[in-house]
Parts: sequence; structure tokens; C-alpha cells
Amino acid sequence: DTEVTQTPKHLVMGMTNKKSLKCEQHMGHRAMYWYKQKAKKPPELMFVYSYEKLSINESVPSRFSPECPNSSLLNLHLHALQPEDSALYLCASSQFQQETQYFGPGTRLLVL
Amino acid sequence: EDKVVQSPLSLVVHEGDTVTLNCSYEVTNFRSLLWYKQEKKAPTFLFMLTSSGIEKKSGRLSSILDKKELFSILNITATQTGDSAVYLCATYAGNMLTFGGGTRLMVKP
Repeated sequence: DTEVTQTPKHLVMGMTNKKSLKCEQHMGHRAMYWYKQKAKKPPELMFVYSYEKLSINESVPSRFSPECPNSSLLNLHLHALQPEDSALYLCASSQFQQETQYFGPGTRLLVL
Repeated sequence: EDKVVQSPLSLVVHEGDTVTLNCSYEVTNFRSLLWYKQEKKAPTFLFMLTSSGIEKKSGRLSSILDKKELFSILNITATQTGDSAVYLCATYAGNMLTFGGGTRLMVKP
């Protein structure tokens, strides 16, 4: 099973809303990632969690707040987003860092 | 700054054609190179290459890495319309995966 699941599939939110994106994997992977992907661009790394601890934050604005409640779950809390934050948000996991990453289907976010 | 460059940017072929996609890289602390196929949503994993000169093969797809010249190629033989996608190359350097801009492949019937 190489499945990473993400919810919701689509999300529309206003600039004053607070919402959360969820990601789950049951492969026993110890590294999990959040990426942002704009149309016709490659994924851009946002955060890396390794053994449930934040190991990389790619200078992401504080309106994005990651959380790793346990080794299977990764959340991304969103607050006071801007329209330019509209994108596909991809979660990925790997056995350890530097191993093959498996991606979830993504959440398509639209900020109005 | 680490750099991964893919060419061509886009490609249109007909079913049955063979295509070669290119990926060159300049990264410090290179560890491995990965190929992904992205259709509508999630990139799906194709290959991970760590050693130079060893071809990896999966059905009609194959890939090889040249660590001396710092590039990799992805070959697709006997293309089908289902091969239409964006193909992404990415390198692991340190703990981070850096993606190239992708090659958009369209296979016409």
C-alpha cells in the first residue's frame, strides 16, 4: 500500500477564514512533507517533518501552520490567507528523509 | 543555488513514437534523482536513480543517470495516449527534493 490520502479534495475560503488541510498515511513512513504547486509549475517544498518533528521550514509565511499530531497524520492550518495562496497543496511521505516520496492527490485551494 | 533543468518544455508526438526526456542538474551533496509522472493531481513515482550507468526499466519506460555529466534521461517507447502527462525530474541534495520545471508530453492518437 503506497497510498497517501488528503482531505478535503477542494476548498474555497475567504481571507478571514480558518481552515485545515489533512494528510494521512499508513505506510509507517517517518517523514512527511507539504508542498505548494501553482498551475504549470513544479511543486515547491513548504515543510518537512521527520519523526514527528519539524525539520525544514522553507521560509513559509506564518499564516500557514503545520502540525504533526502522530506519525500517520499531518495537518496544515490556514489562517488569513491571501488570494495568491490559491494553489494545489500536496502532501507526501517517505520511509525516511532522502527516500522516495509518495504523494497524495492534493487539496485544490481557492482563496477569495 | 541548486538547479534542475528539464528539456524540452513540451513535446507533441503520435502514438507509437519513442520519446526521450532530458534532465540536467547542478546540485551540491547530490544523493539521487527521481522521475515522477503528473497527470491531473498527484505526481506518481516512476524511478529513483542513484548509480551512474545502470538503466532502470519498467514496461515501456526506462531511465539512466550519468553522474559525471550530471544528467538523466527518461525514455518512453511505443507511446500511448495514456502517457500524456507532465514528467517531473527531481534531485535529492541533502534532505531536500528539488524539482525541475517538468516536460509536458502530449501523445496524439
